[in-house]
Amino acid sequence: GAGVSQSPSNKVTEKGKDVELRCDPISGHTALYWYRQSLGQGLEFLIYFQGNSAPDKSGLPSDRFSAERTGGSVSTLTIQRTQQEDSAVYLCASSLGYDPLTVSYGYTFGSGTRLTVV
Amino acid sequence: AQSVAQPEDQVNVAEGNPLTVKCTYSVSGNPYLFWYVQYPNRGLQFLLKYITGDNLVKGSYGFEAEFNKSQTSFHLKKPSALVSDSALYFCAVREKGKLIFGQGTELSVKP
Repeated sequence: GAGVSQSPSNKVTEKGKDVELRCDPISGHTALYWYRQSLGQGLEFLIYFQGNSAPDKSGLPSDRFSAERTGGSVSTLTIQRTQQEDSAVYLCASSLGYDPLTVSYGYTFGSGTRLTVV
Repeated sequence: AQSVAQPEDQVNVAEGNPLTVKCTYSVSGNPYLFWYVQYPNRGLQFLLKYITGDNLVKGSYGFEAEFNKSQTSFHLKKPSALVSDSALYFCAVREKGKLIFGQGTELSVKP
């Protein structure tokens, strides 16, 4: 597609429920990233995928968070047993390569999914 | 671990005046630094990056950034601010193939 597409754009869930957030990267982009944006916390790295390599999961805040990328394209971020502190905007980005040094225009970000846990 | 800090949560500037959004970094090895902008209700957009070479980097929308090794800074600048520059600005540093972002600085440009 023309840009990075994320769905849903808004999600309200009850505490303790599981949620799935979806990201459709730009076609042909081999690298895909998930970030979380919270008030006062800036942009927090969660996970990234590059081609068939093992993902870098170093930013996932707990084992309740997981992500997968099927067929090198669409990615799903899953949060199990949601907590109120999980409320944030979850941003997905993609790029042609995994290294921002080699990508002249940087990452392309989606508009995000605003998650509210009540 | 690599990190960046944006010491100002908010910067207020009058239209037509020069603007500076501050960023300092802490890295081991050579720093690779970036600026992104987030306009209201829109996704983050790449502005510019410093890899090596000239300390003054020019980017999109008339922005530039000055890399200063002795002060470990990478401040974003623009000679004449526009009201349309009002947005959230993020500084970032590369770490192992991904970007680590700062807390963000809200820039407000008033007419």
